[in-house]
Amino acid sequence: AQKITQTQPGMFVQEKEAVTLDCTYDTSDQSYGLFWYKQPSSGEMIFLIYQGSYDEQNATEGRYSLNFQKARKSANLVISASQLGDSAMYFCAMREVLTSYDKVIFGPGTSLSVIP
Amino acid sequence: DVKVTQSSRYLVKRTGEKVFLECVQDMDHENMFWYRQDPGLGLRLIYFSYDVKMKEKGDIPEGYSVSREKKERFSLILESASTNQTSMYLCASNPPDRMNTEAFFGQGTRLTVV
Repeated sequence: AQKITQTQPGMFVQEKEAVTLDCTYDTSDQSYGLFWYKQPSSGEMIFLIYQGSYDEQNATEGRYSLNFQKARKSANLVISASQLGDSAMYFCAMREVLTSYDKVIFGPGTSLSVIP
Repeated sequence: DVKVTQSSRYLVKRTGEKVFLECVQDMDHENMFWYRQDPGLGLRLIYFSYDVKMKEKGDIPEGYSVSREKKERFSLILESASTNQTSMYLCASNPPDRMNTEAFFGQGTRLTVV
């Protein structure tokens, strides 16, 4: 069963505007990590931001911030002041810690297009 | 500079062939992962390994197997390739003891089965 949901297959945003990409997840673990990755048309996977399940503050990295709502199991990515180079696929991922190992699973992704 | 390297960027194979996709990392990571990426489905976990000779099934292991004989190398094997295995395959690795460390990815192998 899919554990990470990204309900927006495609999004458009005007250049210089802010945009929120949604991510909800499902886990019964107390300890987990949430990640966002960007994949431009070149195909490389670029790490953007991390949020730990015990972190009380929302993570920020430059123009990226993560709106973490633990009770709702959501971890939305906010990109401020969008740039043309932000056009890409964006993936939400969760790292689950299991008994003797951990694994990383991804959502279906959101395609973001920035309009000049 | 940390690196995960996949042996091929593009591969074309025939139905029924045995296919090996190789992945090597130079970061001394215990964890390694194989995903396939398809439009609208994102990255789906095929298999992962948390140590040499240790492996676990991911969400879509059917039709695939893996091998981890050395820490730095994780191979994905398609025992008898089929057209529905045409996809982009991504290898990744991360260290097990640092939760906040991201997974590092290879450049991907685009496999076409004809």
